[in-house]
Amino acid sequence: QKEVEQDPGPLSVPEGAIVSLNCTYSNSAFQYFMWYRQYSRKGPELLMYTYSSGNKEDGRFTAQVDKSSKYISLFIRDSQPSDSATYLCAMSLTGNQFYFGTGTSLTVIP
Amino acid sequence: DSGVTQTPKHLITATGQRVTLRCSPRSGDLSVYWYQQSLDQGLQFLIHYYNGEERAKGNILERFSAQQFPDLHSELNLSSLELGDSALYFCASAGTADTQYFGPGTRLTVL
Repeated sequence: QKEVEQDPGPLSVPEGAIVSLNCTYSNSAFQYFMWYRQYSRKGPELLMYTYSSGNKEDGRFTAQVDKSSKYISLFIRDSQPSDSATYLCAMSLTGNQFYFGTGTSLTVIP
Repeated sequence: DSGVTQTPKHLITATGQRVTLRCSPRSGDLSVYWYQQSLDQGLQFLIHYYNGEERAKGNILERFSAQQFPDLHSELNLSSLELGDSALYFCASAGTADTQYFGPGTRLTVL
């Protein structure tokens, strides 16, 4: 079983839609949870970071961590064509080693 | 621009050869992480250095080695290259555990 599971998609939504991206994980000791956005052939860019459980909001982005279910989510409100990218979830126990999902490819159609 | 630089951008080499990838972290960041990204495996953690010391090892092959120098730049050495080593190699730097900044990557093609 992989440490982190992520639906690869692809996901295609109309502009303005709410997007929900999810990951599940197997190691209940994970404490650091992150979402990255990666444009084609570029390095991943950190979008959201959450320590332990709870929600975090930043503009159109909301990250949720449910440690009891070992499930994390990223919501994108009012999605824009510029949000079209691959979204990677990542998690860590101590910050020394990070485990990434395989990424979900998102296309926002104008 | 993340502030992390990686050289070279592209590398084409033959099986059995050895290559060195270089990473310069953001100013002030002591941590450097190396990752391999291939189409079928996603982003795989290879190794983490903090201020010159190895902190964690992931799925790094014995043919691969890395080090971080006193000026904090890091090098990833790949030897006895195989076709399956063709991938994007990223380094990331961090000042704290929650903020990794990725470089633009080195695309390695092994023919």
